[in-house]
Amino acid sequence: SQQGEEDPQALSIQEGENATMNCSYKTSINNLQWYRQNSGRGLVHLILIRSNEREKHSGRLRVTLDTSKKSSSLLITASRAADTASYFCATPSGGGADGLTFGKGTHLIIQP
Amino acid sequence: EPEVTQTPSHQVTQMGQEVILRCVPISNHLYFYWYRQILGQKVEFLVSFYNNEISEKSEIFDDQFSVERPDGSNFTLKIRSTKLEDSAMYFCASILPPFDTQYFGPGTRLTVL
Repeated sequence: SQQGEEDPQALSIQEGENATMNCSYKTSINNLQWYRQNSGRGLVHLILIRSNEREKHSGRLRVTLDTSKKSSSLLITASRAADTASYFCATPSGGGADGLTFGKGTHLIIQP
Repeated sequence: EPEVTQTPSHQVTQMGQEVILRCVPISNHLYFYWYRQILGQKVEFLVSFYNNEISEKSEIFDDQFSVERPDGSNFTLKIRSTKLEDSAMYFCASILPPFDTQYFGPGTRLTVL
């Protein structure tokens, strides 16, 4: 089964608008992490939310987790051109130190 | 701020050759990982390493792959006989339990000709 499938696959918005990306997964999780990847670059960790948490904030980022629906969302408020990147959710296969299973990502484009 | 580093940034090799990709995890971290990302595809887990042995590996990590921590700082991925389909970006990551955040290096782009 696929873990961490994001939607939409691509999202284009105007600078200043909010961007929302969703992630669904199939099995029980210990935590769910969101990463950003600029084109051809490495993965930058954004935020981790644990299975017993429902919402978490970090700066302009807001992540929610609904374990009953096996889904998470990442909201970026007041988007900037520098937010243009691909965003991935990832979940460990078992315990917190296990290898991560990534989704295919959402490619976000912020139009200036 | 401490970070994971990887060398080289780009490696070009001929099919059938052996390559070694190098990583220096964050110094006090205990678990180490390798992932790969074929161009245009998602990031895939290869292997995790803890206490000088493999703790978990994926189906991708077959006998052509091996990992080693030869000293207190380096963590290497060896591909014994490269194939065209090994062309990908390879990422190293590390964590310090009980914190579960995996910190990734910038990646090595491997091109097999």
